[in-house]
Amino acid sequence: GAGVSQTPSNKVTEKGKYVELRCDPISGHTALYWYRQSLGQGPEFLIYFQGTGAADDSGLPNDRFFAVRPEGSVSTLKIQRTERGDSAVYLCASSLTWVAGDTQYFGPGTRLTVL
Amino acid sequence: AQSVTQLDSHVSVSEGTPVLLRCNYSSSYSPSLFWYVQHPNKGLQLLLKYTSAATLVKGINGFEAEFKKSETSFHLTKPSAHMSDAAEYFCVVSSMDTGRRALTFGSGTRLQVQP
Repeated sequence: GAGVSQTPSNKVTEKGKYVELRCDPISGHTALYWYRQSLGQGPEFLIYFQGTGAADDSGLPNDRFFAVRPEGSVSTLKIQRTERGDSAVYLCASSLTWVAGDTQYFGPGTRLTVL
Repeated sequence: AQSVTQLDSHVSVSEGTPVLLRCNYSSSYSPSLFWYVQHPNKGLQLLLKYTSAATLVKGINGFEAEFKKSETSFHLTKPSAHMSDAAEYFCVVSSMDTGRRALTFGSGTRLQVQP
């Protein structure tokens, strides 16, 4: 079946602009996660949704970052007033349940470049 | 708190020889442990996971890992390397007993396979 999909695959923007990154989880998966991977590093957790609500947003670096999942399926990560340090690959993952240890399946990522 | 240390940033082996990628973890609670692989310009793919069942875990493509609680280790092995195994490998931990579902990634080990 279809895996996690993310759009766009690449996004180039200018410093100070607003961007939205979209994630389509695997159909039927109730939990959704966002991670950020900087060059040469492992992914770092940003936020996690159970259904429509953000169950853990402790990884969001500051209040310029926000994410929503209004109908419990597709999610959008929103970044305001982008900075060059926001350049990274943004990864989305989903899992069937939110039971601890449930496997997270990752999408291909969105590469964000802030000029 | 949880953390992962991948002891080698780069490992180089010859095709047909064994692979050993080392990982030590720290977790305040019973851990779930995972190995993910990331090929260039591809998404993260789950190789295997441990969630308190058998301590020797078999994964895809001939990889396996052994959970050793006394050594807090979860090393990844493969008897015979193939050229297609060249990729970045991440050891990952998640705690079973807390409300957090975030995965904590190691910094990665780049595996090179020489012909």
